[in-house]
Amino acid sequence: TQLLEQSPQFLSIQEGENLTVYCNSSSVFSSLQWYRQEPGEGPVLLVTVVTGGEVKKLKRLTFQFGDARKDSSLHITAAQPGDTGLYLCAGAWDTDKLIFGTGTRLQVFP
Amino acid sequence: EAQVTQNPRYLITVTGKKLTVTCSQNMNHEYMSWYRQDPGLGLRQIYYSMNVEVTDKGDVPEGYKVSRKEKRNFPLILESPSPNQTSLYFCASTIKWYFFSGANVLTFGAGSRLTVL
Repeated sequence: TQLLEQSPQFLSIQEGENLTVYCNSSSVFSSLQWYRQEPGEGPVLLVTVVTGGEVKKLKRLTFQFGDARKDSSLHITAAQPGDTGLYLCAGAWDTDKLIFGTGTRLQVFP
Repeated sequence: EAQVTQNPRYLITVTGKKLTVTCSQNMNHEYMSWYRQDPGLGLRQIYYSMNVEVTDKGDVPEGYKVSRKEKRNFPLILESPSPNQTSLYFCASTIKWYFFSGANVLTFGAGSRLTVL
C-alpha cells in the first residue's frame, strides 16, 4: 500500500509567520494535489501539480513538486487566521485511486 | 448550486443496527467515492464507482456496502455497524476519472459524523 506521510502533523503559529508543510512518499506520483479542509466541511482542492520540479503559486501559498515526483511541499508566507485548517496532500499513481496523506493541522493565532 | 449532499450529517447508533448514509450529486458526475477520515490517518477510500452499476473496493471496504443504481446517488450501507466504524465519512465525486492525469478534481460533501456505541 502506498503511503503519503505529511509533516508536521500539527502546527501552531502566530499571524505573519511563514511555514512549510511537507508530503513525502517512497513511490513516484503521476500527479499530486493539495486540499484544505475547514471544520465541518469537506476538503477543497487548492492545486494540482503534475511535472517534476513544478512550482505553482496561489496568492501567499507556494506549492512545489519534487524533481523525482516523490515529494511535495506547501509554503505559506505571512500566515493569516483564515489559513487555519487541515491541509491534505493526495497522490495518484496512474491508477483509479487517489491516496491521501496523513494531514497537517494548522492553527494561526491573531 | 453544484454540490454533493450527504445525509445524515450526524448520527449516533448502536452496534448491529443497520444504517445507510446517503450521497447525492447534482453535477452529472460519473465518478463517486466514499472515504472515512480518522485522526492521524488522513482520508481512506472505502468504495468507489466509475459509473452506474460499476463499483469497486477501496482500501478499507470491510463492513461496508454500496450501490450505484442511478448516476446521482451513491449510498453507503453499514449492515451491522461496529464501534470501529465510528468515524467521519465523506462522499466525493468528479465528472470522470482520468487515468495518468492530474485532471481529477474531487468535489466533497460536508461529511457525516457517525458514532457507533
